[in-house]
Amino acid sequence: DIVMTQSPLSLPVTPGEPASISCRSSQSLLQSNGHNYLSWYLHKPGQSPQLLIFLGYNRAPGVPERFSGSGSGTDFTLKISRVEAEDVGVYYCMQAPQTPPLYTFGQGTKLEIK
Amino acid sequence: EEQLVESGGDLIKPGGSLRLSCAGSGFTFSRAWVSWVRQAPGKGLEWVGRIKDTSSGATTDYSAPVKARFNISRDDSKNMAYLEMNSLKIDDTAVYYCTTGGNWFGSWGQGTLVTVSS
Repeated sequence: DIVMTQSPLSLPVTPGEPASISCRSSQSLLQSNGHNYLSWYLHKPGQSPQLLIFLGYNRAPGVPERFSGSGSGTDFTLKISRVEAEDVGVYYCMQAPQTPPLYTFGQGTKLEIK
Repeated sequence: EEQLVESGGDLIKPGGSLRLSCAGSGFTFSRAWVSWVRQAPGKGLEWVGRIKDTSSGATTDYSAPVKARFNISRDDSKNMAYLEMNSLKIDDTAVYYCTTGGNWFGSWGQGTLVTVSS
């Protein structure tokens, strides 16, 4: 099974400062069609998880431009250009392999405001 | 607007059974692949299982911890998906979310709490 490893697990950030979360996969997520099936989610306190990024770098509808995704193969990064108070919560990366169809989440990175 | 609403969560004894429901609206439910994802207390997100759309055979897949105990089904005439959970264990205690998507999960319900305790 593919293992997803996030770092850091805790991320205190001053508002207005940038933030970066790393996600590494134990196997390449790059498919023959050129897509990386890696997505990012934010789980805010008391809310449902929400999709931020899909296919490694595409922002989901309504997601602010300060969020960006990058990477390919086994190494991926989620960046927030300027953190706002509303960005607090736990961030997860997730891989979606084609065979076998077992989705795997990273452990989660808790972003908090300093 | 796409909306998913889960229901059916309850307090259940170990070894018992429970069926969760997921109602979809605001999109073509029959074309959606529906997954169930859970979050145990103090833990991260864990994918439980998925059902493809009917045109893809409504095939199901499950994570190892729940395989042979859980069953996902759907009734497109009612825009509903179900998670039937059998032989429940204390470790199955979690908030269960239904979500839609194939390679990523775009819409999520609000979740329903399942507590397995004697």
